[in-house]
Amino acid sequence: NAGVTQTPKFQVLKTGQSMTLQCAQDMNHNSMYWYRQDPGMGLRLIYYSASEGTTDKGEVPNGYNVSRLNKREFSLRLESAAPSQTSVYFCASSEQGNGNTIYFGEGSWLTVV
Amino acid sequence: AQSVTQLGSHVSVSEGALVLLRCNYSSSVPPYLFWYVQYPNQGLQLLLKYTSAATLVKGINGFEAEFKKSETSFHLTKPSAHMSDAAEYFCAVSDRGSTLGRLYFGRGTQLTVWP
Repeated sequence: NAGVTQTPKFQVLKTGQSMTLQCAQDMNHNSMYWYRQDPGMGLRLIYYSASEGTTDKGEVPNGYNVSRLNKREFSLRLESAAPSQTSVYFCASSEQGNGNTIYFGEGSWLTVV
Repeated sequence: AQSVTQLGSHVSVSEGALVLLRCNYSSSVPPYLFWYVQYPNQGLQLLLKYTSAATLVKGINGFEAEFKKSETSFHLTKPSAHMSDAAEYFCAVSDRGSTLGRLYFGRGTQLTVWP
């Protein structure tokens, strides 16, 4: 039972470098999400994709881009990393529609120095 | 946008004691309500959710939560804490009036269980 798989698990970047976080789900879900978690802040939505071919901004989209490559995959890109983007990133997925359980990956720890 | 408040960023209990984690939402229309648990260095796992008329919701690991519309609350309880319950707990809401499933999270409550 893979569920939601995200890579890499750990990454250290220098300021200004770019990188892409990969995410894939095997539950045939339409909706996918990227959250970031910071101490004392809970989880905040960066971007989401309600269905294949659509993406929308969440609460904290600045400095990020996303690609919904197909129904399974939803990647998050940092074009020019900043120390403020040091965080734990979670990919998640759910059935389309409201009230459905959202399933999370195990997280990607990103440090920008 | 929805808003959810978790009272108490840290809660400590003794093993065997009652666990009470508080969550309040701010919405005139009751949203869908969720409790998630996060163990160290792991992702979030659903404990329970409220989406229907049943106001007392039972979840995994002996947890339950009661939806109280008059108090705009959805507090999480467990009668007897176990060492394995030590984790961070997040309350989350989803706007019932939206077709999207996005969640708005509280800031989390770290539960410590003392032997």
